[in-house]
Amino acid sequence: DTEVTQTPKHLVMGMTNKKSLKCEQHMGHRAMYWYKQKAKKPPELMFVYSYEKLSINESVPSRFSPECPNSSLLNLHLHALQPEDSALYLCASSQVRDRAGNTIYFGEGSWLTVV
Amino acid sequence: AQTVTQSQPEMSVQEAETVTLSCTYDTSENNYYLFWYKQPPSRQMILVIRQEAYKQQNATENRFSVNFQKAAKSFSLKISDSQLGDTAMYFCAFMKHGANQAGTALIFGKGTTLSVSS
Repeated sequence: DTEVTQTPKHLVMGMTNKKSLKCEQHMGHRAMYWYKQKAKKPPELMFVYSYEKLSINESVPSRFSPECPNSSLLNLHLHALQPEDSALYLCASSQVRDRAGNTIYFGEGSWLTVV
Repeated sequence: AQTVTQSQPEMSVQEAETVTLSCTYDTSENNYYLFWYKQPPSRQMILVIRQEAYKQQNATENRFSVNFQKAAKSFSLKISDSQLGDTAMYFCAFMKHGANQAGTALIFGKGTTLSVSS
């Protein structure tokens, strides 16, 4: 069973809609991540939060807006998306300082389709 | 910049056989971590095994083991006694040591699709 929970598992939205993806972890991790993954491709890093502060934004378009309300929750707000934004969005978490190399644990993903 | 290369886009194996997935990487770092992740059709990215570069001993996890050759920058994954449930896409990934600001995260290879048949 995954300890990183993502909702919804599937989302279909129009290009003018506003929606949000949600992620929750209860492992006490203080780093949380959003990745985007296209079919048969590796995940691409979008955002990293460390201690609830945005530490990395990989030049992601502003139509994606991350939010970290507390150490357990991570949201990704979506607005005015394009069809090419359709993908699997993976949330992940890790310790910030970990002897085992900050092993990153992933959720099951939210499959987004933009129509 | 670090790069990770998986040269086998697809592989097939019969149940109970052994298969080895290849991974090479390029880095100027001396301390780093290497990972193999598995992503079955259910989509969840699952950690299979990890290796600290400062450890000479190869990591093992049940049927999964690695052959870590630091000088050659090679990190292959061996799956013994393959099972149908091993069918998945396998990603090799690299992380710099000291990335404790959670800023570097993982650098992934392009993946190898493994099919296990009965």
